[in-house]
Amino acid sequence: EAGVAQSPRYKIIEKRQSVAFWCNPISGHATLYWYQQILGQGPKLLIQFQNNGVVDDSQLPKDRFSAERLKGVDSTLKIQPAKLEDSAVYLCASSLLAGGHQETQYFGPGTRLLVL
Amino acid sequence: DQQVKQNSPSLSVQEGRISILNCDYTNSMFDYFLWYKKYPAEGPTFLISISSIKDKNEDGRFTVFLNKSAKHLSLHIVPSQPGDSAVYFCAPFSSGSARQLTFGSGTQLTVLP
Repeated sequence: EAGVAQSPRYKIIEKRQSVAFWCNPISGHATLYWYQQILGQGPKLLIQFQNNGVVDDSQLPKDRFSAERLKGVDSTLKIQPAKLEDSAVYLCASSLLAGGHQETQYFGPGTRLLVL
Repeated sequence: DQQVKQNSPSLSVQEGRISILNCDYTNSMFDYFLWYKKYPAEGPTFLISISSIKDKNEDGRFTVFLNKSAKHLSLHIVPSQPGDSAVYFCAPFSSGSARQLTFGSGTQLTVLP
């Protein structure tokens, strides 16, 4: 079974530029998450989708970040314009949402973003 | 306002000995507690979990202990192996919410051969 795919793996941009990240979750997984992991910290949830609807985007800086999952499968996360403090690893995760209490999230390898 | 704290950023243990990683939380609504393991340049992978109705869960070399009154949990690895060297994250969630994980800052475990 293929895991969560993310691209690109690395990206270097200058501040005020825009950048986009792509995620393809595990086939059949209804729920998709985007996390931001700053160096030395744990992953922080930015947005959660269930199919193509947003469940929670309360921690997404909406003045510069946007995300979509139009067909309920793959997703893109965009930053425009980027700031220095956006330098982090952006992780995508997916889960099956079979209705049980425990929802194991499967993570992709992440995109490492450096803003200069 | 950190709801989940892993106060030891790093831990070094000799191969074959026990590794104990600790996690403290403040949110009493958490009722499931997960541990994730992360190697460099990879995403976190699920390791083991425990629900609040239990105080211990064991899976091979890995055991998680939960002390609800102290809002504390720990992960024990016995015996530790060099391949266990990774960052370990404590990540609880509340089943009453959208089941969103709240990650601690992680502990870098190094198992010395």
